[in-house]
Amino acid sequence: DGGITQSPKYLFRKEGQNVTLSCEQNLNHDAMYWYRQDPGQGLRLIYYSQIVNDFQKGDIAEGYSVSREKKESFPLTVTSAQKNPTAFYLCASSWGLAIKGNEQFFGPGTRLTVL
Amino acid sequence: GNSVTQMEGPVTLSEEAFLTINCTYTATGYPSLFWYVQYPGEGLQLLLKATKADDKGSNKGFEATYRKETTSFHLEKGSVQVSDSAVYFCALSELTGTASKLTFGTGTRLQVTL
Repeated sequence: DGGITQSPKYLFRKEGQNVTLSCEQNLNHDAMYWYRQDPGQGLRLIYYSQIVNDFQKGDIAEGYSVSREKKESFPLTVTSAQKNPTAFYLCASSWGLAIKGNEQFFGPGTRLTVL
Repeated sequence: GNSVTQMEGPVTLSEEAFLTINCTYTATGYPSLFWYVQYPGEGLQLLLKATKADDKGSNKGFEATYRKETTSFHLEKGSVQVSDSAVYFCALSELTGTASKLTFGTGTRLQVTL
């Protein structure tokens, strides 16, 4: 069964702690993305990666970090520098093709709550 | 920069009613346009897409037409079901190398009642 997995589904952390969210895909996609979703807002792009060992900042990268050491994995670390980390985090992937209509496939999301 | 504007929700309809969710966009180039659907507690699923002017995307009874002259991509369905209750997101994409960056609207919650 091909798809994107994110774990855990719910995550609780104390303020000031770093936390890493997992994202794994077995779709053989080159490109991967992290989005943040807040109530009443659309999704906002945090980071994206076109290929292994390469990634770029999205619109709201401050307070976050990523790595892309393997094609199938794109973990996101929410650092203590992120001012308001409580949100729903979504990972996505797509074919690494410069073509129009190249859709993204989304994981089920991780809801992070910082206490 | 690019932006997407959707009508605010919630939209509440009776089963079998006609649905329209408005979406307009601002883009510097010629983006691709998408509608994604999100069921409670889940990630997003692609509903339909269009890649050029006058293209019509369709899936599961939903349709949307890429209107370049009005910069719109309104979602329609002739007869909604209770199972269509979800949040609908309009989005546009711009190519960045081999990645496809999506810009989303704020989402429109649809509630369908019996």
